[in-house]
Amino acid sequence: GAVVSQHPSWVICKSGTSVKIECRSLDFQATTMFWYRQFPKQSLMLMATSNEGSKATYEQGVEKDKFLINHASLTLSTLTVTSAHPEDSSFYICSARVGWSRDEQYFGPGTRLTVT
Amino acid sequence: AQRVTQPEKLLSVFKGAPVELKCNYSYSGSPELFWYVQYSRQRLQLLLRHISRESIKGFTADLNKGETSFHLKKPFAQEEDSAMYYCALSDNNAGNMLTFGGGTRLMVKP
Repeated sequence: GAVVSQHPSWVICKSGTSVKIECRSLDFQATTMFWYRQFPKQSLMLMATSNEGSKATYEQGVEKDKFLINHASLTLSTLTVTSAHPEDSSFYICSARVGWSRDEQYFGPGTRLTVT
Repeated sequence: AQRVTQPEKLLSVFKGAPVELKCNYSYSGSPELFWYVQYSRQRLQLLLRHISRESIKGFTADLNKGETSFHLKKPFAQEEDSAMYYCALSDNNAGNMLTFGGGTRLMVKP
């Protein structure tokens, strides 16, 4: 149980285009989903926290107009990278948590984005 | 603001040797600490959390508030322990968001 999927697993896009990444909790309802970014050989950096039905909370330095997050249901959150540039190339990882408390976060496999 | 530091990017040991992956943190409140592991080509997964006080796959970690440390230990390393290990801290004042350390790659040589 507690599986989180991401789609696509990898994507290549041209500079200036937008890319949507989906994060789904397959066998549980996720009140909260988190989006992380991981550059090569670096740690995960939290980008935003997404609660179902409300606006996402972005970490300092993350452009909310560039990284659009939608958490429309308890099993789906999407991250859209708008007007992508080569510096947006990274590994994007989502995680999902059942409740507000100290529940475990379950991580997706990640999506590798390459912007050419 | 909270911070998690893993001073070693790479730790290489021989099979059967003891392992200690270091983790230090700074946090103004009462922290909750975790160790996550990422095996090759697999997703990040929880290894253990300090409140559980359990041993997983032979690994243990004790929270030392005086030294603000949460080192991960295993008395006898196995080759299958080779992976990337991340220490993380949960911020109870911010919806329990996780702050990750930089990670330590453990390589267990035969």
